[in-house]
Amino acid sequence: GQNIDQPTEMTATEGAIVQINCTYQTSGFNGLFWYQQHAGEAPTFLSYNVLDGLEEKGRFSSFLSRSKGYSYLLLKELQMKDSASYLCAVRGLYAGNNRKLIWGLGTSLAVNP
Amino acid sequence: EPEVTQTPSHQVTQMGQEVILRCVPISNHLYFYWYRQILGQKVEFLVSFYNNEISEKSEIFDDQFSVERPDGSNFTLKIRSTKLEDSAMYFCASSETENEQFFGPGTRLTVL
Repeated sequence: GQNIDQPTEMTATEGAIVQINCTYQTSGFNGLFWYQQHAGEAPTFLSYNVLDGLEEKGRFSSFLSRSKGYSYLLLKELQMKDSASYLCAVRGLYAGNNRKLIWGLGTSLAVNP
Repeated sequence: EPEVTQTPSHQVTQMGQEVILRCVPISNHLYFYWYRQILGQKVEFLVSFYNNEISEKSEIFDDQFSVERPDGSNFTLKIRSTKLEDSAMYFCASSETENEQFFGPGTRLTVL
């Protein structure tokens, strides 16, 4: 089967750092994505990891360990506007033009003043 | 900045009716997708489309669903006979490469 697990909810303080974890079990692996989704809006792309290690992009960083089936999204210098749901998605076994993403339920992050 | 657009933003229909959800992907993108998200639940893949044909579909995408690219810009999802459980937000996405899918704002479908 294919499964992606994330914590359901997290709370953090403005200006702080928060780490959102994601573990996955999928049939094959061809990339892990993090998306941000504000309530009632579409997901927007944050990061992509296909090799082990850390990818940094401004206040956001994403880490991947393929051997552990594990990723995290790190958000620094939190702002109130970062309050949103953070979705972990994995692209499974690559076959032909397969671009299918398998999604986690998302982690709802609340940033408090 | 180019973006994916979807119409309508909200569609209300009676059970058993047909609906067509429309999407205009980003113009130089070659890969197109439909996803749905039932309120409070995870995003679910429906179908991917490349080179004028379906490249993959999920178990949700049964005979009630179909996709078309009727011209060079539009990408449509048709649900032939809607059921109550089809009520969801439907997202269209497109991508140029395999590294990032751009999502449209979604169509909220309500089946009564």
